[in-house]
Amino acid sequence: KQEVTQIPAALSVPEGENLVLNCSFTDSAIYNLQWFRQDPGKGLTSLLLIQSSQREQTSGRLNASLDKSSGRSTLYIAASQPGDSATYLCAVEGGSEKLVFGKGTKLTVNP
Amino acid sequence: GAVVSQHPSRVICKSGTSVKIECRSLDFQATTMFWYRQFPKQSLMLMATSNEGSKATYEQGVEKDKFLINHASLTLSTLTVTSAHPEDSSFYICSARDPTLGRAEAFFGQGTRLTVV
Repeated sequence: KQEVTQIPAALSVPEGENLVLNCSFTDSAIYNLQWFRQDPGKGLTSLLLIQSSQREQTSGRLNASLDKSSGRSTLYIAASQPGDSATYLCAVEGGSEKLVFGKGTKLTVNP
Repeated sequence: GAVVSQHPSRVICKSGTSVKIECRSLDFQATTMFWYRQFPKQSLMLMATSNEGSKATYEQGVEKDKFLINHASLTLSTLTVTSAHPEDSSFYICSARDPTLGRAEAFFGQGTRLTVV
């Protein structure tokens, strides 16, 4: 059974700092990995999707990497801003199109 | 990107009543939609897979008679929580992906906060 772990559970940083969020998964037989952002009481916003054959994806200040063999992914946020404050979720997809989520990292960027 | 709309965003109901939540794909047709449930500070947990024109597939431990799913058209899936109890209070969220894009990113609705009193 696939399990996804995100570390840290919470992170508080000053504005402008670069930061890394971590995601690990137990079964390396994944189809893809997706990072989401969730604001309080809201739905999920897709940030980046990495296919299993890819090593990284970039979108603006965000960069996500994938090391499938070791079961790890990182989300790098450059020059963090208060508007980046949210919970970041990692999810992996196996062969059945079902997503398995981690519990998320709650990020607070202080002005 | 693809848009998935969920309604209502919040609902309060009395114990014993039923509540219907709608999930719509606005700019694509979705043969499959997924329903998740999220408890505070917990992961999203898949409840069921909604299949257009056929029965939903429920995850282990999810009561199909309590959580009725109907996917009557290619753009609409509904989740009905029947005979709701306070323990059903949770955040329910649906997702879908555009099948013309292959197994691309999944898009999620805004979620529904259900409170049963």
